[in-house]
Amino acid sequence: QVQLVESGGGVVQPGRSLRLSCAASGFTFSSYGMHWVRQAPGKGLEWVAVIWYDGSNKYYADSVKGRFTISRDNSKNTLYLQMNSLRAEDTAVYYCARGAVFGDYAYWYFDLWGRGTLVTVSS
Amino acid sequence: EIVMTQSPATLSVSPGERATLSCRASQSVSSNLAWYQQKPGQAPRLLIYGASTRATGIPARFSGSGSGTEFTLTISSLQSEDFAVYYCQQWGTFGQGTKVEIK
Repeated sequence: QVQLVESGGGVVQPGRSLRLSCAASGFTFSSYGMHWVRQAPGKGLEWVAVIWYDGSNKYYADSVKGRFTISRDNSKNTLYLQMNSLRAEDTAVYYCARGAVFGDYAYWYFDLWGRGTLVTVSS
Repeated sequence: EIVMTQSPATLSVSPGERATLSCRASQSVSSNLAWYQQKPGQAPRLLIYGASTRATGIPARFSGSGSGTEFTLTISSLQSEDFAVYYCQQWGTFGQGTKVEIK
């Protein structure tokens, strides 16, 4: 079954760290760029970060740059998001999403999503 | 940074009617635009990519059009399962969403 399953969310105090994981199955994980997208309670979608299929390139939203790190382990079919120096405004459901590939080209369209994991930053 | 602006914020439509949602980019994005549907408590679902291509499994009543800075998502005859929030997206930027509700 083609799916993404996030884990690692929870309640954390401001300034602390948390690592999210996203386990992929049912497709060739190492062939796809992967993204994290978040959604604050009652709000819209916000793209967070992307990592190339081979880990060679990573890009971040300005709101998390310098605090969050995206990584992947293709041998374990797993995507990660290391979140440091967490702030109240980082409270959100965090989704991992697969970047679409059509032919030989990768696109920033998200064609497969996990169900998300909730991160709450609160003292 | 490109800003994506969706209108209206809320659209009230009766089942069976046509719904037209708009998305405007602050500068040209060519045809690099996607539409997503999100229902309460669920992850978003890709509907349209490349401005006008339906994703796998998406019913034909969903159609996308436009290029450059002006884009439209049309739902030709709303079904009960189509009442949701719709987002447009270009690279790392999402619009703020349009909620389609039952009139």
